[in-house]
Amino acid sequence: DTAVSQTPKYLVTQMGNDKSIKCEQNLGHDTMYWYKQDSKKFLKIMFSYNNKELIINETVPNRFSPKSPDKAHLNLHINSLELGDSAVYFCASSRGLASTGELFFGEGSRLTVL
Amino acid sequence: GQQVMQIPQYQHVQEGEDFTTYCNSSTTLSNIQWYKQRPGGHPVFLIQLVKSGEVKKQKRLTFQFGEAKKNSSLHITATQTTDVGTYFCAGPVYRGSTLGRLYFGRGTQLTVWP
Repeated sequence: DTAVSQTPKYLVTQMGNDKSIKCEQNLGHDTMYWYKQDSKKFLKIMFSYNNKELIINETVPNRFSPKSPDKAHLNLHINSLELGDSAVYFCASSRGLASTGELFFGEGSRLTVL
Repeated sequence: GQQVMQIPQYQHVQEGEDFTTYCNSSTTLSNIQWYKQRPGGHPVFLIQLVKSGEVKKQKRLTFQFGEAKKNSSLHITATQTTDVGTYFCAGPVYRGSTLGRLYFGRGTQLTVWP
């Protein structure tokens, strides 16, 4: 069983479209995250949820809207996609807060905006 | 701005040579974590260092945390082709909040020539 699973693995879409990425973890962790990795491999935190509550929003544009229906799931919806949104989006989870313990990453969702 | 600096960005070595990547923070870190990302893969946790001056070893990998808890290094002895990937350090940054954000360094991409 994959600990942190994301779908889809690949998305290719046109500018202006809307897309969603789903994430599920079966580790029983309380905290989940979205990270964005650009073409230069820079990993940047976007959001963090703890027990379904948003605890970190790292000045991400309003076009990005995370949703956590329960503590095992964290989805990311992106409106009006722009070229600069092309990246690999990683979902991650941790038992407590990442500041104190390890992150478990999903396999990533590669988004290409044309 | 970037909270955790990491150098070098790239390192190419012959198999059997040693490799070191360095991480620096302008502020004292409560802990530092190291991750490895294989090409096309996702970041995988390697280790966490917490104590000032701590040194930990995992087979050919040696991790150090500086006395002032502002820098860290990862040293690989006698690299192998299986060591190829990007090595990230990550440290928690608190912006006037009790919630730490785990900031990643830009990573060091290691290439090993057989």
